[in-house]
Amino acid sequence: DAGVTQSPTHLIKTRGQQVTLRCSPKSGHDTVSWYQQALGQGPQFIFQYYEEEERQRGNFPDRFSGHQFPNYSSELNVNALLLGDSALYLCASSLGQGAHTIYFGEGSWLTVV
Amino acid sequence: GNSVTQMEGPVTLSEEAFLTINCTYTATGYPSLFWYVQYPGEGLQLLLKATKADDKGSNKGFEATYRKETTSFHLEKGSVQVSDSAVYFCALSDQGGSEKLVFGKGTKLTVNP
Repeated sequence: DAGVTQSPTHLIKTRGQQVTLRCSPKSGHDTVSWYQQALGQGPQFIFQYYEEEERQRGNFPDRFSGHQFPNYSSELNVNALLLGDSALYLCASSLGQGAHTIYFGEGSWLTVV
Repeated sequence: GNSVTQMEGPVTLSEEAFLTINCTYTATGYPSLFWYVQYPGEGLQLLLKATKADDKGSNKGFEATYRKETTSFHLEKGSVQVSDSAVYFCALSDQGGSEKLVFGKGTKLTVNP
């Protein structure tokens, strides 16, 4: 049973560019959330997708957008990259709304230069 | 808004020492509380959880009790091992299990042989 898988694992982008990160939830899970973890900090909630709609959003600018596909996989897009966007981006999946067991992927390391 | 405060690290212990990592929270209502662990280069793994006051979560020798009167969820282990070296995050989710997790900044634990 595959857990949460994310790609790519590492990438380097230049300021002003755009990036797309991908996530496949754990088998059977239908809810995907994205978190940003800056170096030495705890993860910060970006947004959550359920039934292909954004259900909740954290305190992140509109440069951060996402999508959920019919197979429950998800993408995180960040436009106009800033140096401060350099972080580990974590995808988390769970079953339904209100679940207490959330599984995290290993993350995508984004470096903006 | 909801927040989590963890004791600052790093924490360095010898093998078989007793571990306590303090965690307090601020939240409205009755959040669920979690401890996550992050091993070097990996994503987050759920270590234990408690969903209501006085619940005790336990796993792999780690324990934490949901104390509503002191708004705390301290992590303890009676005898740590070298393999416990990792970063530990305390987190809460909103009442109703909305799955948006709010994390503390993390405590790095190093266990020496």
